[in-house]
Amino acid sequence: AQTVTQSQPEMSVQEAETVTLSCTYDTSESDYYLFWYKQPPSRQMILVIRQEAYKQQNATENRFSVNFQKAAKSFSLKISDSQLGDAAMYFCVFNNAGNMLTFGGGTRLMVKP
Amino acid sequence: DTGVSQDPRHKITKRGQNVTFRCDPISEHNRLYWYRQTLGQGPEFLTYFQNEAQLEKSRLLSDRFSAERPKGSFSTLEIQRTEQGDSAMYLCASSRTAGIDGYTFGSGTRLTVV
Repeated sequence: AQTVTQSQPEMSVQEAETVTLSCTYDTSESDYYLFWYKQPPSRQMILVIRQEAYKQQNATENRFSVNFQKAAKSFSLKISDSQLGDAAMYFCVFNNAGNMLTFGGGTRLMVKP
Repeated sequence: DTGVSQDPRHKITKRGQNVTFRCDPISEHNRLYWYRQTLGQGPEFLTYFQNEAQLEKSRLLSDRFSAERPKGSFSTLEIQRTEQGDSAMYLCASSRTAGIDGYTFGSGTRLTVV
């Protein structure tokens, strides 16, 4: 079974600064997908960025980028130029291209004006 | 495309009552998933459908939980004889493929058992 660990329950960042959220996972699979999802307070889960394990190139979506280290089973999210709207719970998520997502425990990001 | 819709948004019920939640996925998505999220935790997988077939239900929390997707469109999740421990957010998600492009989540149904 896969496990996903987010070691930072809470993080804070100053508006316009950069913050990195950490995630490690454990799997015996070689082919899988990783995601970061954002869940604003009382709002639905939104996909932020995805990474295919077979791709060495790190995914980037505007201000969001990942550092994917397959051998280390690490998948961190970097948010550049943080904005107030980035404040949310962030979940690191594993998908073995099968039937279910495995979520980490989440990191609550606070953005200070 | 209005996204994934869940109804109701909130449900308060007395312990021992049965409750049913509905999920309407994105129309072209053939996969539909149910997750449960307790306060401060990440969602945990319950079950999923491909079209009308329920292909995984071993993660349903007990035999009090059941789900259906009778015509491969909307789905219902029923909890019988609710217990206080069932209080949680129940999330529905859908995807076009095996989720490799990501899932689209609904806003969830928050259940409170009193």
